[in-house]
Amino acid sequence: KQEVTQIPAALSVPEGENLVLNCSFTDSAIYNLQWFRQDPGKGLTSLLLIQSSQREQTSGRLNASLDKSSGRSTLYIAASQPGDSATYLCAVPDSGAGSYQLTFGKGTKLSVIP
Amino acid sequence: ETGVTQTPRHLVMGMTNKKSLKCEQHLGHNAMYWYKQSAKKPLELMFVYNFKEQTENNSVPSRFSPECPNSSHLFLHLHTLQPEDSALYLCASSQEGRLAGGGSETQYFGPGTRLLVL
Repeated sequence: KQEVTQIPAALSVPEGENLVLNCSFTDSAIYNLQWFRQDPGKGLTSLLLIQSSQREQTSGRLNASLDKSSGRSTLYIAASQPGDSATYLCAVPDSGAGSYQLTFGKGTKLSVIP
Repeated sequence: ETGVTQTPRHLVMGMTNKKSLKCEQHLGHNAMYWYKQSAKKPLELMFVYNFKEQTENNSVPSRFSPECPNSSHLFLHLHTLQPEDSALYLCASSQEGRLAGGGSETQYFGPGTRLLVL
């Protein structure tokens, strides 16, 4: 069964710093990997989706990389801003399931201090 | 309205009450999902509906009863809940309920219903 781990569980940085969030998964036969953002008490917003054939995706100040063979993905946030404060979740589809099911990590709670 | 909407946004209920959560998607998708998010635990998939047919039930207790009358609407009927059922319940939708689209498939989430069971 796929397991997704995110380290660290929480991170606090001063505004302007570059930072990296980590995600690891146990079954490397993934279809894709997604990074989501969740604001307190709110739903999830998809940030980046990396297909299994890709190695990275970029959107603005965000860059996500994928290394399937090592079971790892990173989310790089450049020049962090207070508005980036949220919980960041990574998720992979369960390739063994007949339907489209996502397995999520517990998330990394990011606080950007002005 | 666009995207995925959920009502109510907050709900407090006693253990003997019966209530329903509603989800509606305006994206023309064919698959809808219920997730449970408890404190300090990963999101847990509860149910999947694909073209109105339930395709997954991840060992969810019978006190949770889903209903999908059409591809745009999804309900979660609640009865005789326990305090440990207090959580954020999230609805999501996707174009299809199976892996497709060459790996570009994604799910769109609603804002959630914060449920407190007393």
